[in-house]
Amino acid sequence: GAGVSQSPSNKVTEKGKDVELRCDPISGHTALYWYRQSLGQGLEFLIYFQGNSAPDKSGLPSDRFSAERTGGSVSTLTIQRTQQEDSAVYLCASSPGLGTTEAFFGQGTRLTVV
Amino acid sequence: ILNVEQSPQSLHVQEGDSTNFTCSFPSSNFYALHWYRWETAKSPEALFVMTLNGDEKKKGRISATLNTKEGYSYLYIKGSQPEDSATYLCASFSGGYNKLIFGAGTRLAVHP
Repeated sequence: GAGVSQSPSNKVTEKGKDVELRCDPISGHTALYWYRQSLGQGLEFLIYFQGNSAPDKSGLPSDRFSAERTGGSVSTLTIQRTQQEDSAVYLCASSPGLGTTEAFFGQGTRLTVV
Repeated sequence: ILNVEQSPQSLHVQEGDSTNFTCSFPSSNFYALHWYRWETAKSPEALFVMTLNGDEKKKGRISATLNTKEGYSYLYIKGSQPEDSATYLCASFSGGYNKLIFGAGTRLAVHP
């Protein structure tokens, strides 16, 4: 199907290593979000891309986190020097426009830092 | 920071019971209010997106209302079934913050 695709689905990494998480949004969707869910917590906003506008990075928890979206399509979330507190499910969502349209979520990447 | 709050945090009901949850959000610069259902091992799926004060949406046994002036929305489930067991999330999109911010969710368990 043409849903939101995330890879990898699971990632186990050693503390201090860098990781890259990938999101392929639905074709034509201008909005792309990254969220994370830590154990027992709700969905925490990380970053938001909307069209060609500068991304809203206000939710990134530290400068170890960065994200880019190439060509208005695929997005990569990079976490440098991973820490155990980075362990979480990272969810990507895309939507056709601004907040009046529903967001479509990927299956998520479960990141475990050991 | 935009605070979206949901209550209760969790809820256990018997099959056939009707139930409701609350979502509160800042009313200023309101743009849209979303409801999602998140089942275990799946992705969140949209139930409703509401934009107008007084709006009511219905999908089968699930319905939602919206009050943008006072900043709250209710989600109702009539005659709960075990397959309704999930976490129900609301999210607010406001003109001031220009992004979709989620509440912590209400975890519903429906017991046969």
